Amino acid sequence: DTGVSQDPRHKITKRGQNVTFRCDPISEHNRLYWYRQTLGQGPEFLTYFQNEAQLEKSRLLSDRFSAERPKGSFSTLEIQRTEQGDSAMYLCASSLAGGATNEKLFFGSGTQLSVL
Amino acid sequence: LAKTTQPISMDSYEGQEVNITCSHNNIATNDYITWYQQFPSQGPRFIIQGYKTKVTNEVASLFIPADRKSSTLSLPRVSLSDTAVYYCLVGVGNAGNMLTFGGGTRLMVKP
Repeated sequence: DTGVSQDPRHKITKRGQNVTFRCDPISEHNRLYWYRQTLGQGPEFLTYFQNEAQLEKSRLLSDRFSAERPKGSFSTLEIQRTEQGDSAMYLCASSLAGGATNEKLFFGSGTQLSVL
Repeated sequence: LAKTTQPISMDSYEGQEVNITCSHNNIATNDYITWYQQFPSQGPRFIIQGYKTKVTNEVASLFIPADRKSSTLSLPRVSLSDTAVYYCLVGVGNAGNMLTFGGGTRLMVKP
């Protein structure tokens, strides 16, 4: 399978714990996005990378959230001191930016986080 | 960023054509229009993308009027498996804008 892969699929944690999610994009894609989605809502943009550079970050992303893409390949999203309001599906997407055609996002299946 | 407005939900029956319209009054000159489909517990999946007039692929058609302030996703002869949420996005990914999803349209296809 050469699609976007996310790990783990499900994570249950207690309030106050730290969690880390991993995303492996499609190998030739240079952009990587993180989104958060709660039940009944559309995906909410968190941040994105072009290669290893983090180019944009949503103002909704508190200081407890940090994302990295150290070698321009896989990415991690860490949430420190989790709160119950962090419970959501965390989606990763990748794309090949540049060229004449517009960007198309390819999404993983997401990591469902439940904070107890 | 151009904001999009879609109906919250739609119902249809198997075999019918479904048209979902998205309004994007503030669309910018360089903005493309992209539609995604999402099933429960899965990430969104690209359906179709266009800039103006009409685009057709094996899954759907996208109609964009001359003023580009709206677009219509057309799904021919829907089946039960087309029950999903459909999102309209407007933005120029290559310019680095945050690609923002709205609330989407929840399509229910009934037998």
